[in-house]
Amino acid sequence: GESVGLHLPTLSVQEGDNSIINCAYSNSASDYFIWYKQESGKGPQFIIDIRSNMDKRQGQRVTVLLNKTVKHLSLQIAATQPGDSAVYFCAEPDTSGTYKYIFGTGTRLKVLA
Amino acid sequence: EAQVTQNPRYLITVTGKKLTVTCSQNMNHEYMSWYRQDPGLGLRQIYYSMNVEVTDKGDVPEGYKVSRKEKRNFPLILESPSPNQTSLYFCASSLSGRNSPLHFGNGTRLTVT
Repeated sequence: GESVGLHLPTLSVQEGDNSIINCAYSNSASDYFIWYKQESGKGPQFIIDIRSNMDKRQGQRVTVLLNKTVKHLSLQIAATQPGDSAVYFCAEPDTSGTYKYIFGTGTRLKVLA
Repeated sequence: EAQVTQNPRYLITVTGKKLTVTCSQNMNHEYMSWYRQDPGLGLRQIYYSMNVEVTDKGDVPEGYKVSRKEKRNFPLILESPSPNQTSLYFCASSLSGRNSPLHFGNGTRLTVT
């Protein structure tokens, strides 16, 4: 498969366990965050988003936690499955007045059978 | 099905031969954008468009052109491709360009020899 990034941090998780993927951001003015999943050979797929007026948001098997105090975002995947193997990255809109998105470098999740 | 469609998926060309990568979305999104993804560099924005006839440069616009004559289409044009434009390209769209998630196409793998 195609590699979307060299030297990405890798998280290896046993199938059935929970996964936690972290993302730090630097701009305290950021008010909207998005998590993406990118499988080999595919485009980034929207998983879940959260606005800064929330601390937690849950989806199907996924939960995003936002800690504005330390500018930290995490994605929790419950009961990790082989199909969860992918690169995960966070994104936020640029707040400097441009219509751009800022993407994290990503974490590779490997699910061990 | 709501989606962003890019064509072609794979393209091999020679230096200097003009090419166009098409992108179409069926979600009536205002915002569309092009990215390139290279190992170790993550997603970098090439151009974006806030609406019909409104386009602006992203972080790496050199060597590329875009047009937005219709809301649903946002083609990427390489007038004179060079080997350093060999990359994986993604088109994306979102409702507003800020505070709404980007939806990505499945990518175009371009090789320029």
